[in-house]
Amino acid sequence: GQNIDQPTEMTATEGAIVQINCTYQTSGFNGLFWYQQHAGEAPTFLSYNVLDGLEEKGRFSSFLSRSKGYSYLLLKELQMKDSASYLCAVLDSNYQLIWGAGTKLIIKP
Amino acid sequence: IAGITQAPTSQILAAGRRMTLRCTQDMRHNAMYWYRQDLGLGLRLIHYSNTAGTTGKGEVPDGYSVSRANTDDFPLTLASAVPSQTSVYFCASKVEGAGTGELFFGEGSRLTVL
Repeated sequence: GQNIDQPTEMTATEGAIVQINCTYQTSGFNGLFWYQQHAGEAPTFLSYNVLDGLEEKGRFSSFLSRSKGYSYLLLKELQMKDSASYLCAVLDSNYQLIWGAGTKLIIKP
Repeated sequence: IAGITQAPTSQILAAGRRMTLRCTQDMRHNAMYWYRQDLGLGLRLIHYSNTAGTTGKGEVPDGYSVSRANTDDFPLTLASAVPSQTSVYFCASKVEGAGTGELFFGEGSRLTVL
């Protein structure tokens, strides 16, 4: 079966750095996505990785290792507005998105 | 700027009733999707459409039907609602074939079936 694992909840301090991990086992791989979802709102796109390595986009970076089936989302200089759920999703061999359950990130002052 | 519009945003429904969730996009995206989101679970695909006139079943299609008469509209129908269909429903779209596969989501429809 296909599976994506990410921690259920994480807590971090405003101004700090946090790393949210995602491991996956899917039938094929055509890319990995991270989405942000604030409570009561729709998910919004953050990043896409298809090759190994680190993609940096402002305060957010996303890393991929295809051989390990592993990705992480790195958030720097945390702000209160970063409190949200972060969803990891993998595009499988049929180009269907398989979603993780999401990681709820709580930012404390 | 509209993007994707869903209606209704929230609805309480008696079991056994028929319900249609509406979804309209103005981005001329070919591909459209319906997901449900439940606490503790990832987004689960109900039905999808790669282009107008075609539809396909996702991971959890039972009890739901869709149609895609034109590019812009992709309604989701619950023929006879059951309590297990209580969920938040998201419609999404993307440009089919786009390498990044970035999905654009509607604001969601919160459905409660009693």
